[in-house]
Amino acid sequence: QVQLVESGGGVVQPGRSLRLSCAASGFIFNNYGMHWVRQAPGKGLEWVANIWSDGNNKNYADSVEGRFTVSRDNSKNTVYLQMSSLRAEDTAVYYCARETISQTGTWDWLDAWGHGTLVTVSS
Amino acid sequence: DIQMTQSPSSLSASIGDRVTITCRASDRIYSYLNWYQQKPGKAPKLLIYATSTLQSGVPSRFSGSKSGTDFTLTINNLQPEDLATYYCQQTYKTPPWTFGQGTKVEIK
Repeated sequence: QVQLVESGGGVVQPGRSLRLSCAASGFIFNNYGMHWVRQAPGKGLEWVANIWSDGNNKNYADSVEGRFTVSRDNSKNTVYLQMSSLRAEDTAVYYCARETISQTGTWDWLDAWGHGTLVTVSS
Repeated sequence: DIQMTQSPSSLSASIGDRVTITCRASDRIYSYLNWYQQKPGKAPKLLIYATSTLQSGVPSRFSGSKSGTDFTLTINNLQPEDLATYYCQQTYKTPPWTFGQGTKVEIK
């Protein structure tokens, strides 16, 4: 079955860096784009970044542009989120999610999600 | 960026009720609208994509529709397991794919 497992979260001081990983299994990883979505404590979902299946295209939310970098290693079925210059407002559960595109190529959605990994930015 | 405004932010309904949640886009997004359900302490789960297509395995009491830039998630015959927060998400054009603020559904 499709499975996404995030890791790498923890407590980090403001200004420091952290790298999250998301290991995928149960599907052909290099056929799918991948996304990161976060959720601050008690708050709603915030889209963070995505990367195309071949890794050639990436997009970021304005709130993380220039500080976060998304990458993937298709040989390891893993997507990463490198986070630097972390701020208190980056504190959140970070989810990775798989993007599925309709057969017509018209529609897309996030149909598989990991359990999330908590990042706490605090001194 | 396209903003999504969801309403209400919370609601309380009884078992068997019909519940309606609305999401309004700040710009035209055609039918590029998905709905997710997030139960307490869990990851989000896809309910509906492309405005009205039910994801496999989702009960038929869930449905989606649109009118102009207004999108609606309807839950017919509300069940105890529907206790959750529901989010809309637009996927028009290149990301960012913005989410609505969420609607928390409580059972009376």
